[in-house]
Amino acid sequence: QSALTQPPSASGSPGQSVTISCTGTSSDVGGYKYVSWYQHHPGKAPKLMIYEVTKRPSGVPDRFSGSKSGNTASLTVSGLQTEDEADYYCSSYAGSNNLVFGGGTKLTVL
Amino acid sequence: QVQLVQSGAEVKKPGASVKVSCKASGYTFTDYYNHWVRQAPGQGLEWMGWINPNSGGTNYAQKFQGRVTMTRDTSISTAYMELSRLTSDDTAVYYCARAAARPGSVWSPDYWGQGTLVTVSS
Repeated sequence: QSALTQPPSASGSPGQSVTISCTGTSSDVGGYKYVSWYQHHPGKAPKLMIYEVTKRPSGVPDRFSGSKSGNTASLTVSGLQTEDEADYYCSSYAGSNNLVFGGGTKLTVL
Repeated sequence: QVQLVQSGAEVKKPGASVKVSCKASGYTFTDYYNHWVRQAPGQGLEWMGWINPNSGGTNYAQKFQGRVTMTRDTSISTAYMELSRLTSDDTAVYYCARAAARPGSVWSPDYWGQGTLVTVSS
């Protein structure tokens, strides 16, 4: 199972919006509604930010939103804040009881 | 509050095995699957598999089949991941994470442990 494709880096200034993409295939991202996004500050536990493509767990700010079109899912962070600077990973159910992650995107808040 | 507390860092020689534990608290252990995910230095996250603590049933990523064993002890709300025949490529931080035992939700782990660094070196 190949990893999902994410851009290695993304950046934006405080207050701006940034979108991170996650590209897979029809066998994973495109075939199921089980795409999740995680925020990972190095040295800490990853945090679930989005699940089932668009849903936000309790406590996650509504500045974070998810979407999907075809084989590509996206995470949009609006109103960027300095604490949003972290690594972001997407994941998707890939059929046959498999889960696959993306390679990660380092988000820098300039 | 939900907590997943993992065992401490390990240093192993090539060919050896390592067993990492993950103690759960703050929720009903058997209501949530335990996933194991690793991150090699400078790399992304890699899914290894899950265990259903209620039944003991497991599901391993093909890459690790034959080399990984996931178990649990419900009496102490602890999940374990043992990886055998270690090589330097297995040097990574290993995470446990819980996911609700419901269709769909099982593929979105919501709480993660702090990670356990396993270093494989001769």
